[in-house]
Amino acid sequence: DGGITQSPKYLFRKEGQNVTLSCEQNLNHDAMYWYRQDPGQGLRLIYYSQIVNDFQKGDIAEGYSVSREKKESFPLTVTSAQKNPTAFYLCVSSLGRWELFFGEGSRLTVL
Amino acid sequence: GQQVMQIPQYQHVQEGEDFTTYCNSSTTLSNIQWYKQRPGGHPVFLIQLVKSGEVKKQKRLTFQFGEAKKNSSLHITATQTTDVGTYFCAGPSADSWGKLQFGAGTQVVVTP
Repeated sequence: DGGITQSPKYLFRKEGQNVTLSCEQNLNHDAMYWYRQDPGQGLRLIYYSQIVNDFQKGDIAEGYSVSREKKESFPLTVTSAQKNPTAFYLCVSSLGRWELFFGEGSRLTVL
Repeated sequence: GQQVMQIPQYQHVQEGEDFTTYCNSSTTLSNIQWYKQRPGGHPVFLIQLVKSGEVKKQKRLTFQFGEAKKNSSLHITATQTTDVGTYFCAGPSADSWGKLQFGAGTQVVVTP
């Protein structure tokens, strides 16, 4: 079945550690995105990529990094520079200006 | 910058009642999308509206895009417990193709 796979689903991190969230899609979509969701709040865009080897900062890119070496993969690294990283992270793909397909999310908790 | 606002933020509804949630953009939108997120889940696409004044129905859900393409509404009739969740609207960012600007969502709680 086609879809988006995020891993891990739950992740605990100590302060000062970098962590990488994996995102893989087999929908053959060109565009991929990372959103952050905090409790009771909407979705805020971290980074997005419309094509392999190219990506742009979203509204809250500070403290995050991404890569897009393959069409199917768009990993997100939460660095120690991110001051408040505890959140629900959603990886998304789309076929241009049409509907977004969301992964099931990764819930990161900083201890 | 562009803002997408949703009201109300919370909606408590008795089962069987109707309600409407509204989405307003500070800029004209080429299209608007609606998503539903169940508690503990991830957002799922519901619908996209493109034309000015467009109205689309999905069973008990009616979506409308304003004539000026700056606002939209979602009306649910005869609310059921399965309607529980947060409903988000999203529109393309004015400054960059490929970016969607999400509203903060309307969290719907249904009382049996």
